[in-house]
Amino acid sequence: DAGVIQSPRHEVTEMGQEVTLRCKPISGHDYLFWYRQTMMRGLELLIYFNNNVPIDDSGMPEDRFSAKMPNASFSTLKIQPSEPRDSAVYFCASSLYVNIQYFGAGTRLSVL
Amino acid sequence: GNSVTQMEGPVTLSEEAFLTINCTYTATGYPSLFWYVQYPGEGLQLLLKATKADDKGSNKGFEATYRKETTSFHLEKGSVQVSDSAVYFCALIIGGSNYKLTFGKGTLLTVNP
Repeated sequence: DAGVIQSPRHEVTEMGQEVTLRCKPISGHDYLFWYRQTMMRGLELLIYFNNNVPIDDSGMPEDRFSAKMPNASFSTLKIQPSEPRDSAVYFCASSLYVNIQYFGAGTRLSVL
Repeated sequence: GNSVTQMEGPVTLSEEAFLTINCTYTATGYPSLFWYVQYPGEGLQLLLKATKADDKGSNKGFEATYRKETTSFHLEKGSVQVSDSAVYFCALIIGGSNYKLTFGKGTLLTVNP
């Protein structure tokens, strides 16, 4: 399997623009997680899905953030409007057995 | 709540030195414990895990033992290599209805030749 695939790898945008991050989980996995990594706050879980249904979105920082999983092979994390403080590396992870998560390579987001 | 505390980095060692990275935790239930490794520019990879007290996880020469009495899961390697240079994260998860991985802040390890 190709592993968890995230796109784009790098995103540079201007404040106020909409940003969409994409994730393709490992085929057959039934959990999908979105994380944010910053120097100040470390790794934070934003939201996770089970069988395409959002289970816990308590980590989503604001209403500007939204996540969807329209099918088992695709998820998006959207930020609208983006702000400079959203600059971070965003990771997607998937798992079959929930205690072993496989991470993608991440999307490095810079909001100018 | 649940939390993981790792030793502050960065840690700098010479090749073939002994490595210990300390990790302690607090948990509201009975956790499974993990070490993840992040190489530069990559995502996290599971290094090893332990699911119950006194279990020893091991992989690639790294070891960690689940110590319930001291709530610890220290990572060790007898002889590090330059290729071990990375950030190491200790983490826990408690099953049931909450599947959140709680991570420590990470420890940067640099191994010099």
